[in-house]
Amino acid sequence: AQSVTQPDIHITVSEGASLELRCNYSYGATPYLFWYVQSPGQGLQLLLKYFSGDTLVQGIKGFEAEFKRSQSSFNLRKPSVHWSDAAEYFCAVALRGFQKLVFGTGTRLLVSP
Amino acid sequence: KAGVTQTPRYLIKTRGQQVTLSCSPISGHRSVSWYQQTPGQGLQFLFEYFSETQRNKGNFPGRFSGRQFSNSRSEMNVSTLELGDSALYLCASSTGTSGEAVDEQFFGPGTRLTVL
Repeated sequence: AQSVTQPDIHITVSEGASLELRCNYSYGATPYLFWYVQSPGQGLQLLLKYFSGDTLVQGIKGFEAEFKRSQSSFNLRKPSVHWSDAAEYFCAVALRGFQKLVFGTGTRLLVSP
Repeated sequence: KAGVTQTPRYLIKTRGQQVTLSCSPISGHRSVSWYQQTPGQGLQFLFEYFSETQRNKGNFPGRFSGRQFSNSRSEMNVSTLELGDSALYLCASSTGTSGEAVDEQFFGPGTRLTVL
């Protein structure tokens, strides 16, 4: 079955420290890959996406993600976390030709002073 | 450009009632998708409409339905509400015209539905 796994439900990072959020997918073919962020009471904002080409993708707010086909992973990284990054982060996939996103369960990021 | 708007933002209903939620996409976007977000099930795809036709559908019972108008605005309806329908309902719009590709979806703030 097609699935997206975010193994970490909560992560706490000190402000200024680096961050890596994990995402693994299980699909027959390489899907389109996305990372979204959701602040409390808000909708989802796209951070970055991978369709093809360079496996290191740059996004907004200083985030980047690396696609690793051999590991079926698309991990999100940020070199230095800011307090305003505290939010819930969702990895999502979509198959070619389908405007349907399948989301992981999300990782809640807490930023400590 | 104005973003995706959803009305109402909050709604309280009782079991057995029906509810209609509205979504206005970004100007020029012809695809509207709906998602349900709950603490237990996470974010789940309900359906997608493009040019007034349902193009994709998720695994939800027939009590969940939708439609899209000629101006691309969309409504979703839930009949015979159950307690488990309490959720944040998110609408997303995209151009929907990329063929084999997948368009970026822009999400609205959601409608928080509480069923008592």
